[in-house]
Amino acid sequence: EADIYQTPRYLVIGTGKKITLECSQTMGHDKMYWYQQDPGMELHLIHYSYGVNSTEKGDLSSESTVSRIRTEHFPLTLESARPSHTSQYLCASSRLNTEAFFGQGTRLTVV
Amino acid sequence: AQTVTQSQPEMSVQEAETVTLSCTYDTSESDYYLFWYKQPPSRQMILVIRQEAYKQQNATENRFSVNFQKAAKSFSLKISDSQLGDAAMYFCAYCRHYQLIWGAGTKLIIKP
Repeated sequence: EADIYQTPRYLVIGTGKKITLECSQTMGHDKMYWYQQDPGMELHLIHYSYGVNSTEKGDLSSESTVSRIRTEHFPLTLESARPSHTSQYLCASSRLNTEAFFGQGTRLTVV
Repeated sequence: AQTVTQSQPEMSVQEAETVTLSCTYDTSESDYYLFWYKQPPSRQMILVIRQEAYKQQNATENRFSVNFQKAAKSFSLKISDSQLGDAAMYFCAYCRHYQLIWGAGTKLIIKP
C-alpha cells in the first residue's frame, strides 16, 4: 500500500474562504503532482514539483497555488474558494521512470 | 508532443467473461513506460499493471494482461474472468522520465 496521505477527505466550505489541502508522502519521491478530477472524468494536471523549492503549473489553468518546502509535503492552497472549484483533488508522487502513487483524494464542495 | 488515447468511454462485460480495453499513444521516443490504473467509484487510484517499452514480453498480473504492440503504439488491457470488483474507471498512462501523460479513461461495467 502506498504511503501518500491527503487531508481532509471531504470538505464543504463557503464561498470566499481560504483553504489548504494537505498532501504528504513518506516514500522519498522527488516528483509530486496535483490533479483535478470531476467524478468519472479524466485527470487534469494543475500543479507539479520536481523537488524542494520547485513548483510548476500544469496543463489546466488553476487559481490555486502550491509550495514544496519539504520533500514529503506538497500542500495546495485556494485563497478564495468559489463554487467552480467544486471537484475532487488528487495528489500523487513518483520517482524517475516509475509509476505514480496516489492519495485517496479530497472531495471539495464550495457552497 | 506525446498523447494517449482511450477510444472507449464505456465498456460492459458479463461477469466471468473477458474484456479488452484499448489504448493508443503517440511518441517519438523508444524508451518509456506504460501503465494501466484502476479507479473504483469513490476509491483510490491504484496501479494495475506496468510495461517497460524495451521489454518485448507482455506484462501479466493474475487476471490482467496487456497486449503491447510497440510499432503500432498500442497498449491494450485484457481482463479475464471478470469479477464485480473489477467495475471501475481504467486509465492508461505513458511515462518517460518524470513526464506522465494520461488517457481520458474507460468506464468498465460488470453485468452480474
